[in-house]
Amino acid sequence: QLQLQESGPGLVKPSETLSLTCTISGGSISSGDYYWGWIRQPPGKGLEWIGTIHYSGSTYYNPSLKSRITISGDTSKNQFSLKVSSVTAADTAVYSCARHESLVAQFDPWGQGTLVTVSS
Amino acid sequence: QSVLTQPPSVSGAPGQRITISCTGSSSNIGAGYDVHWYQQLPGTAPRLLIYGNTNRPSGVPDRFSGSNSGTSASLAITGLQAEDEADYCCQSYDTSLNVVVFGGGTKLTVL
Repeated sequence: QLQLQESGPGLVKPSETLSLTCTISGGSISSGDYYWGWIRQPPGKGLEWIGTIHYSGSTYYNPSLKSRITISGDTSKNQFSLKVSSVTAADTAVYSCARHESLVAQFDPWGQGTLVTVSS
Repeated sequence: QSVLTQPPSVSGAPGQRITISCTGSSSNIGAGYDVHWYQQLPGTAPRLLIYGNTNRPSGVPDRFSGSNSGTSASLAITGLQAEDEADYCCQSYDTSLNVVVFGGGTKLTVL
């Protein structure tokens, strides 16, 4: 059964770069025509799509975040990663990774999510 | 402000039927992009409830159903149970913004 697990620092200082990794188990990042996405949810707010990487390496970003976002994949480690630069308190959120079959398709499964707090 | 609009809260008594609306526009739901629904219990990852407007993944009870019409979609839950108390969120794609979009979420309270 495919499982995803996020990992990374839970606390990041303002203006620094947030870095998270999603580790895939029970499947391969490079098998099948799948997309791998990052979604976040600020406390008390709704879900926001951050961006997605296709197994081929193509990336798709939310235009509102595009200038600060980098998503990359590592087939040797069966992982994909997220970097958000120049973070502010507004980037405080639960960050989740998930798989989808296309940009218009549902996300399933999801990782459990990890809370990242931006604070000095 | 979410691109897809959901009511902040709905409530119902055990056994009742409730619906949660998800209102979009001509560039997302109205353009024919599929709507998906998730259930989120506190502190847990979203669980896929409905995909492709009306389809249930295996393991999701048939008490849950989805529909859409025009620029809106709806999630219906029949035979409401205490365990259904959770947040529910819709998702689609917006072609003018080129983004995956979510609703703001609806908190369901079982009275």
